[in-house]
Amino acid sequence: RKEVEQDPGPFNVPEGATVAFNCTYSNSASQSFFWYRQDCRKEPKLLMSVYSSGNEDGRFTAQLNRASQYISLLIRDSKLSDSATYLCAVTSVEYDYKLSFGAGTTVTVRA
Amino acid sequence: DAGITQSPRHKVTETGTPVTLRCHQTENHRYMYWYRQDPGHGLRLIHYSYGVKDTDKGEVSDGYSVSRSKTEDFLLTLESATSSQTSVYFCAIRGGSNQPQHFGDGTRLSIL
Repeated sequence: RKEVEQDPGPFNVPEGATVAFNCTYSNSASQSFFWYRQDCRKEPKLLMSVYSSGNEDGRFTAQLNRASQYISLLIRDSKLSDSATYLCAVTSVEYDYKLSFGAGTTVTVRA
Repeated sequence: DAGITQSPRHKVTETGTPVTLRCHQTENHRYMYWYRQDPGHGLRLIHYSYGVKDTDKGEVSDGYSVSRSKTEDFLLTLESATSSQTSVYFCAIRGGSNQPQHFGDGTRLSIL
């Protein structure tokens, strides 16, 4: 089983819609969680950290469910510019040096 | 943006030649990483460093070596490049525990 798994999508949504997707992780000792955004042929860029109580950054909301071992990202009022691949990343207590990345979820927002 | 510079940004070379990619940071971060990214595989860790002269292997380290003689520089070397090493290579840095990684712009390497 992969350490971090994501639904690859693609999620095709109209502008203004809400889209949400999850990322599951296998190590219950996982410590820190992040969402990255990657545009085609570009480097991954940190979108937001994920905190235990959940957190928002504008139109983006991240949640952590430790019991079921997944994190989620919700995008409200989608914009064309939100079209990208979203990667989740997880660290663990045992391997604190290392982030394990999911393969990414592709979101396409259409006009 | 985090101060990370990768060089070269693009390189085309022939099978069997040595290739060195450089990652330079201005953040004085302890941790540095080299990844490759290929379609269908996502980001795969090649090598990482947790301090000057302290390096270790990642999940796809065969055919690659690294060196870190200064905090700010982390070099990735392909001793004898093969076509399977054609990829996009990303360097990343990280300040410490529970911190995210920040990535450089990437190097597109083509081995013919």
